[in-house]
Amino acid sequence: AQSVTQLDSQVPVFEEAPVELRCNYSSSVSVYLFWYVQYPNQGLQLLLKYLSGSTLVESINGFEAEFNKSQTSFHLRKPSVHISDTAEYFCAVSSPRENTPLVFGKGTRLSVIA
Amino acid sequence: NAGVMQNPRHLVRRRGQEARLRCSPMKGHSHVYWYRQLPEEGLKFMVYLQKENIIDESGMPKERFSAEFPKEGPSILRIQQVVRGDSAAYFCASSPPNRGNTEAFFGQGTRLTVV
Repeated sequence: AQSVTQLDSQVPVFEEAPVELRCNYSSSVSVYLFWYVQYPNQGLQLLLKYLSGSTLVESINGFEAEFNKSQTSFHLRKPSVHISDTAEYFCAVSSPRENTPLVFGKGTRLSVIA
Repeated sequence: NAGVMQNPRHLVRRRGQEARLRCSPMKGHSHVYWYRQLPEEGLKFMVYLQKENIIDESGMPKERFSAEFPKEGPSILRIQQVVRGDSAAYFCASSPPNRGNTEAFFGQGTRLTVV
């Protein structure tokens, strides 16, 4: 079975400061890893994903995450946050095995303070 | 190309009534996933369907819950005899054939409140 742990339920950070949202996973098979963002009363939007290849993946709005197999981690980082980044962030895992559903963490609420 | 459409966005039901949640996948997508989000929790997988087939229902409660994805029309998640504990946000995601969950797009969800 696969599982995801997001250790921080809430992360407050000042505008233009860097942020790291932590994600650790557990899996006995190879993994696909995802970060989704959820704005209030909205659905989930895919932020970035790791399927294979380069372990560092980036999103179009400045976020990046690095797949670390030895640490079983996929932490999300941004060097300088904006007010508009305030949202809930979910880490998810699945596997290349066909039909495997996404397994989500409990989420981290990022609050950017002006 | 419209995104994944879920309706209604908000649904209020009294205990004992039935709730029907609809999900229209993106054009060309034949895979549908249903997830439930409880307050302060992440999304929990419920069921995975392809057209006219249930592929994986390991996350569905054994009683009162059912799902279908007919050849024509939206996918339906049906909850019979709702109880207060069914209050949650229900999200649908769709993906194209042969891409599984690597390209899953989510709808905006249906927020069910049982009173």
